[in-house]
Amino acid sequence: QQPVQSPQAVILREGEDAVINCSSSKALYSVHWYRQKHGEAPIFLMILLKGGEQKGHDKISASFNEKKQQSSLYLTASQLSYSGTYFCGTGTNFGNEKLTFGTGTRLTIIP
Amino acid sequence: ETGVTQSPTHLIKTRGQQVTLRCSSQSGHNTVSWYQQALGQGPQFIFQYYREEENGRGNFPPRFSGLQFPNYSSELNVNALELDDSALYLCASSVTGRGEQYFGPGTRLTVT
Repeated sequence: QQPVQSPQAVILREGEDAVINCSSSKALYSVHWYRQKHGEAPIFLMILLKGGEQKGHDKISASFNEKKQQSSLYLTASQLSYSGTYFCGTGTNFGNEKLTFGTGTRLTIIP
Repeated sequence: ETGVTQSPTHLIKTRGQQVTLRCSSQSGHNTVSWYQQALGQGPQFIFQYYREEENGRGNFPPRFSGLQFPNYSSELNVNALELDDSALYLCASSVTGRGEQYFGPGTRLTVT
């Protein structure tokens, strides 16, 4: 089953914050977050492992709630470069994971 | 350090034909996974190769097949192409035991 992402699309002004959610009906071992710009490859942002961890770098962070099988990606003080489609990919075992991706959240940052 | 590369960039084929797509993994990565991404959708897992053997397959028919070579590069072969096979094909390389997968730029396949 494909994870469900919300919202499907969001438009922000530069400097505003955004939260993107990813929810799965399956027990998860890991959640992977990617950003993809039109016509380009998905770029790896971060991976979170079960254990309810949080991670972050620069102004992008994420949390993983293993019990709820949910993850959230937080973008603070958004920059124009943050525009793109964000995908969560879920894995059910660690090592050589076969990711199941959500349908994506399109984020548009306007000046 | 060289990233993941794929060839060709674009390809146009006719229904019923066969196609081979190629992927060179990132230096030091020993696992390659292939994904199909239809327009407006998230990538969908096709299969994964580790130690030159298939290590898991998604919901794709047997006409999708692959190979991994001793240098960890990989091929995706699709026989009897159908119109619905039109998509962006992505390969991702990773290291066994570490979760991060890094994607190549993809091959855009159009079947007419």
